[in-house]
Amino acid sequence: AQRVTQPEKLLSVFKGAPVELKCNYSYSGSPELFWYVQYSRQRLQLLLRHISRESIKGFTADLNKGETSFHLKKPFAQEEDSAMYYCALGVDSWGKLQFGAGTQVVVTP
Amino acid sequence: SQTIHQWPATLVQPVGSPLSLECTVEGTSNPNLYWYRQAAGRGLQLLFYSVGIGQISSEVPQNLSASRPQDRQFILSSKKLLLSDSGFYLCAWRKTSVSYEQYFGPGTRLTVT
Repeated sequence: AQRVTQPEKLLSVFKGAPVELKCNYSYSGSPELFWYVQYSRQRLQLLLRHISRESIKGFTADLNKGETSFHLKKPFAQEEDSAMYYCALGVDSWGKLQFGAGTQVVVTP
Repeated sequence: SQTIHQWPATLVQPVGSPLSLECTVEGTSNPNLYWYRQAAGRGLQLLFYSVGIGQISSEVPQNLSASRPQDRQFILSSKKLLLSDSGFYLCAWRKTSVSYEQYFGPGTRLTVT
């Protein structure tokens, strides 16, 4: 069965420190993975998609099929990075996404 | 450009009362539509999805139902609300035949009292 695991409910980091949000998945097919972010009082929005191999707002995420992971990283956290982050896996031809439980990131000055 | 709307933004309803939440999408046609419930610490739970008018698939048996009377309108309903229906409800759309990317509405905060 498909599963997305985000082991950390809360990550508290200092401004300027590196931040890494862990995401592990379980899927028998070829995975399509995403990171979504929800800032305070804003709607849930797409941050990264693994197929694009892009860097958005300084964040990167690499798909590691051997470790079935898709961790999100940023070398220097900023206060505006404080938000809820969700890892998501595309699971079928109907476009359904399986979301992880989310990680709340708090960046303190 | 495409936009997605939800209303109401917040709703307080007594137990046993009916519910109707509406979601509409603009700027696209024949989107796939999804209803989620977001709960703290539990991520997003997919409730219903629709690939076309009148086509509804339920993911989780519960007190809720969904309908799609028009191409870009998706409605979440209940005949009699339960306390456990309280939560934050999100609607999302996806372009058919393109990636899994979904775009979310602003959500409705439902409190059942």
